[in-house]
Amino acid sequence: GAVVSQHPSRVICKSGTSVKIECRSLDFQATTMFWYRQFPKQSLMLMATSNEGSKATYEQGVEKDKFLINHASLTLSTLTVTSAHPEDSSFYICSAKRQGPADTQYFGPGTRLTVL
Amino acid sequence: GQQVMQIPQYQHVQEGEDFTTYCNSSTTLSNIQWYKQRPGGHPVFLIQLVKSGEVKKQKRLTFQFGEAKKNSSLHITATQTTDVGTYFCAGRTRSNYQLIWGAGTKLIIKP
Repeated sequence: GAVVSQHPSRVICKSGTSVKIECRSLDFQATTMFWYRQFPKQSLMLMATSNEGSKATYEQGVEKDKFLINHASLTLSTLTVTSAHPEDSSFYICSAKRQGPADTQYFGPGTRLTVL
Repeated sequence: GQQVMQIPQYQHVQEGEDFTTYCNSSTTLSNIQWYKQRPGGHPVFLIQLVKSGEVKKQKRLTFQFGEAKKNSSLHITATQTTDVGTYFCAGRTRSNYQLIWGAGTKLIIKP
């Protein structure tokens, strides 16, 4: 079946640094990718919708200058957390939508970010 | 690599009939989570199962976690139109604590 990968799986960084997270669809082309943030035992909070070749659409309350999203190709989207702070520590999950009759969404395994 | 197989991909039921979706992991899990995604929406967290053999109920929904912590099921009794959507399981691995997602089961209520 379709696979979505994320890299890195876990990252620890110092406050003030930037961290880039990659999301790849391994065996299909994804014109749309989603970035979520999740706190323990809570629902996925949609941060932004990333469309290949165009600017990402951010959800209300998500700072676009802080969470930079680049959907460079049909198989790769990146999320860069700029000037990270401890409150940015979270689990970040991406998903990719596979076009077709079912418009199926496939989820990545997540990236755990810890900002010291 | 680590996988979670979820079946069936689709299930068509008459309103009032039961619905079940199953997840099987290739490795032992730390815990398993279940989500519901309505058409056009985004996944909503339903529950997390942690203990071997655990069974939890939420009204008409029954969640089970297998004794070996490698499989899980979600059963809905007497489906209603509000149950329509895609149900995902996601298992958290012991080794690297990532979430491995099932492909989802789409519940469709026949008109």
